[in-house]
Amino acid sequence: SAVISQKPSRDICQRGTSLTIQCQVDSQVTMMFWYRQQPGQSLTLIATANQGSEATYESGFVIDKFPISRPNLTFSTLTVSNMSPEDSSIYLCSAGGGSYGYTFGSGTRLTVV
Amino acid sequence: SQQGEEDPQALSIQEGENATMNCSYKTSINNLQWYRQNSGRGLVHLILIRSNEREKHSGRLRVTLDTSKKSSSLLITASRAADTASYFCATDRAGNNRLAFGKGNQVVVIP
Repeated sequence: SAVISQKPSRDICQRGTSLTIQCQVDSQVTMMFWYRQQPGQSLTLIATANQGSEATYESGFVIDKFPISRPNLTFSTLTVSNMSPEDSSIYLCSAGGGSYGYTFGSGTRLTVV
Repeated sequence: SQQGEEDPQALSIQEGENATMNCSYKTSINNLQWYRQNSGRGLVHLILIRSNEREKHSGRLRVTLDTSKKSSSLLITASRAADTASYFCATDRAGNNRLAFGKGNQVVVIP
């Protein structure tokens, strides 16, 4: 299964600023996804990152707040824009699917102050 | 809407005991998967069971799936301190390719 390198692993940011999170996969994958995990909660899907086209966002998430890029089949970024303390969460990317399940990045722990 | 909504549980067991956790979901699925998460880090895929399977084993893990009841269970046998983690079930709805995660089960194995 694929291996994903996600960075940064953690960051503390000022409200009103933006943070871009990167995920690099060691092989070409068709499907890549971004999740948010709020403190003590489960994972919520933010969007599907589509190569060569706009991301597909889940209900409650919008492109202006969470712009996503997917320039090729091994790389994707998620930007958390105009951050507020409510955005403090762990953000995870994942890739893969099929018989071996999905591989996840190690997560980015974001704290907004 | 989110599927794979297991009752959030916190289990505390002694090393060597078995740990069982459950998961329920609401709609048709293609498969159901279990993941482990250590200390808020990335998730590790444990096991996948397809909708036409009833039971699956992987090492010390045993997963069952009852599609009539829309439920699954994960059994960890002979638990170890290293099994201390949060465990999530996730459903892959038919034709969807997007995972819906349950609330998670926190397991603490006491040495």
